[in-house]
Amino acid sequence: NAGVMQNPRHLVRRRGQEARLRCSPMKGHSHVYWYRQLPEEGLKFMVYLQKENIIDESGMPKERFSAEFPKEGPSILRIQQVVRGDSAAYFCASSPDRIYGYTFGSGTRLTVV
Amino acid sequence: RKEVEQDPGPFNVPEGATVAFNCTYSNSASQSFFWYRQDCRKEPKLLMSVYSSGNEDGRFTAQLNRASQYISLLIRDSKLSDSATYLCVPEGIQGAQKLVFGQGTRLTINP
Repeated sequence: NAGVMQNPRHLVRRRGQEARLRCSPMKGHSHVYWYRQLPEEGLKFMVYLQKENIIDESGMPKERFSAEFPKEGPSILRIQQVVRGDSAAYFCASSPDRIYGYTFGSGTRLTVV
Repeated sequence: RKEVEQDPGPFNVPEGATVAFNCTYSNSASQSFFWYRQDCRKEPKLLMSVYSSGNEDGRFTAQLNRASQYISLLIRDSKLSDSATYLCVPEGIQGAQKLVFGQGTRLTINP
């Protein structure tokens, strides 16, 4: 039973480009959460999704960031027109039921040059 | 007041020692709590869940004090591999279906 799969593990983008981060939850998990961790800082909640629905996006920046969790396929976190301040580790977690059994993926490390 | 507050440390203790650190939380309605550990540049991993007054798992003991709204983590006979950042996470208020992480407490076990 594979865990939460995130890809790519490392992503380098130039300023102004788009970044797409993918997260495949564990089998049977229908709740997906995205977190961002800046260097030397804690995990910051970004968005909580269920299939085809955004449940809580209170942590998402107002511009350039979007997330989806389609009926088929992985959840996608999309960052348009990246800036250097977007450089961080982005972690995805999934759970079968709200917050219980919260399992994290290995993360995607985004570097904007 | 922050949802979660932890002493960021760092705590430096010798191998074999017992170490404890606390976490205070602001939401008195929280029923469940989680301790996660995060190694440098890795994902957080669930260490322990606490649903009542406390929980024990091998060398690790978590104790919950609802009256004072804090939860502690005790590590006995510490190992070098215990070096990590420990994150205290209370369950969110009803309807808030996400976990809010604090900065965590950084622990280094020295040989």
